[in-house]
Amino acid sequence: GENVEQHPSTLSVQEGDSAVIKCTYSDSASNYFPWYKQELGKGPQLIIDIRSNVGEKKDQRIAVTLNKTAKHFSLHITETQPEDSAVYFCAASPVVYSGGGADGLTFGKGTHLIIQP
Amino acid sequence: AAGVIQSPRHLIKEKRETATLKCYPIPRHDTVYWYQQGPGQDPQFLISFYEKMQSDKGSIPDRFSAQQFSDYHSELNMSSLELGDSALYFCASSLEGDSGNTIYFGEGSWLTVV
Repeated sequence: GENVEQHPSTLSVQEGDSAVIKCTYSDSASNYFPWYKQELGKGPQLIIDIRSNVGEKKDQRIAVTLNKTAKHFSLHITETQPEDSAVYFCAASPVVYSGGGADGLTFGKGTHLIIQP
Repeated sequence: AAGVIQSPRHLIKEKRETATLKCYPIPRHDTVYWYQQGPGQDPQFLISFYEKMQSDKGSIPDRFSAQQFSDYHSELNMSSLELGDSALYFCASSLEGDSGNTIYFGEGSWLTVV
């Protein structure tokens, strides 16, 4: 099955600086890579996702890059703000495009992002 | 926009008891997933349903079962509860389509087994 490694486990950055979280995956069949932000006691909130036909995607201060050859993908947050402090999870799964249902996501272990004021 | 609704939000049960969690997916979503998240852990995939049929199975114990009903809501039934079952249980939903399926999570149900 799929195995997702996520680094670092804890990341502390100064407010306004950039944060980068990296993930690797093992299953070459995986083609869907979402990132979730989770605050204490709450459900994971999808912040951005990327599919294997795209190398990079950006949404305001958040960007994700994907290297399918190397089987790694990264989350980049620029101009960090205190409200960015949370646990971030990367995930991977294969996506069946028609009629077959969907496999579950395999998550990384999470990165605790701390934004220092 | 409507989100994934889970109930109850909190549940306390004793060992060996049974618990049932309910999930109402985002309207029109046809796929439901269940995840278990222990303290400080990443969410672990348990099981998923597509169009009321089981589509994938993860690390779901034999003591647990789930189903998706005709209105697409789902229930996770947990029997012979153990202390180690104490966790946050998430339901998620998606709509399968040609562009792939984006998965949205509910706020979770806290289960405490005492």
